[in-house]
Amino acid sequence: EAGVAQSPRYKIIEKRQSVAFWCNPISGHATLYWYQQILGQGPKLLIQFQNNGVVDDSQLPKDRFSAERLKGVDSTLKIQPAKLEDSAVYLCASSFWRRDMNTEAFFGQGTRLTVV
Amino acid sequence: AQTVTQSQPEMSVQEAETVTLSCTYDTSENNYYLFWYKQPPSRQMILVIRQEAYKQQNATENRFSVNFQKAAKSFSLKISDSQLGDTAMYFCAFDKYIFGTGTRLKVLA
Repeated sequence: EAGVAQSPRYKIIEKRQSVAFWCNPISGHATLYWYQQILGQGPKLLIQFQNNGVVDDSQLPKDRFSAERLKGVDSTLKIQPAKLEDSAVYLCASSFWRRDMNTEAFFGQGTRLTVV
Repeated sequence: AQTVTQSQPEMSVQEAETVTLSCTYDTSENNYYLFWYKQPPSRQMILVIRQEAYKQQNATENRFSVNFQKAAKSFSLKISDSQLGDTAMYFCAFDKYIFGTGTRLKVLA
């Protein structure tokens, strides 16, 4: 089966510019996650979608970050305006939803963002 | 709030030997899942093993096994017969929400 697709793989922008990342989850996966992974740290969950609804966005800096998942499939994550501390790898993951168990997350290769 | 701690930033092991990576966590929940994920240099994270907290039996997947001590809130990963392809960052995770800082494992030929 096709994996989680993310684009672009790399992005370099200047501070105060805007940027958008795209994610296409595995077909049939109702749950989609965006993580921020700063160099040397573990992934930090930014937002979780169940179909096209937000389940958890408690760690999303809403003054500059936004995300949407129209039609419950693809998702975009946007940063506007970017700050130097936003430099990180942005990982998208998806999982199959089951009521009776916590299924594994399948990750994309990520987008490495550098803000200069 | 849940926390996950991995106290070994880097480890190395000789090929074919056994290595154990440590993970401790904190939670007030009784039912939860714990995961070990592997992130090779190419960056794509993949699942290594999963443990359900209500199960007493430790999970095993081929050369990978866990030592799950619920009372001690400890969840270590044992890799037997280490292979060069096991070289990667390993992350312990509480559900899909809280990840540790990772352990960089290098398998030496």
